[in-house]
Amino acid sequence: EAQVTQNPRYLITVTGKKLTVTCSQNMNHEYMSWYRQDPGLGLRQIYYSMNVEVTDKGDVPEGYKVSRKEKRNFPLILESPSPNQTSLYFCASSLFTGTGTPNTEAFFGQGTRLTVV
Amino acid sequence: KQEVTQIPAALSVPEGENLVLNCSFTDSAIYNLQWFRQDPGKGLTSLLLIQSSQREQTSGRLNASLDKSSGRSTLYIAASQPGDSATYLCAVATKADSWGKLQFGAGTQVVVTP
Repeated sequence: EAQVTQNPRYLITVTGKKLTVTCSQNMNHEYMSWYRQDPGLGLRQIYYSMNVEVTDKGDVPEGYKVSRKEKRNFPLILESPSPNQTSLYFCASSLFTGTGTPNTEAFFGQGTRLTVV
Repeated sequence: KQEVTQIPAALSVPEGENLVLNCSFTDSAIYNLQWFRQDPGKGLTSLLLIQSSQREQTSGRLNASLDKSSGRSTLYIAASQPGDSATYLCAVATKADSWGKLQFGAGTQVVVTP
């Protein structure tokens, strides 16, 4: 089954304790991205990756890091989490067809609900 | 900067009624628009992807229309069922944005009562 898998699904942590949210897709997609969803603000893109070793900032990258060492995995790293990073996080992937071409259907994971106290 | 608006924010209908969900966007230079369904604890599920060159797209009881020039899309769900209760999000891929980036509306929360 084609899917995007995030772990963990729920996480409560304390301020300053480094954490990683994993994301894996089995569709051989080049493009992967992270979004956060907050009430009243909708979903906003944090980081994205066009392919292995190619990553770039989205709209709200502050306080986050990513890496793309393998095509299927795109972990989100919070090195020193703060309460304002409490949010619902989504990973997404899609087939990259080239810059300047229409994007393809995006597939999303089930979400990770993070609480930082 | 693209702005996406969904009205109403919430909608409650009795089972069997047709649902009409609206999405508007400010920059008409888009590649496509995608409708998603969000269920608590189940992430986002893609419903329909409608390209900028298309006027509508259909899948089962779902029909999405797109009027790019006026910056509007409408999702119709025929003969609603309690299982259609969820939050529906529209997302736009704008040509001015980086490839793959989606700009989301805040969603319409739908409740279908038996």
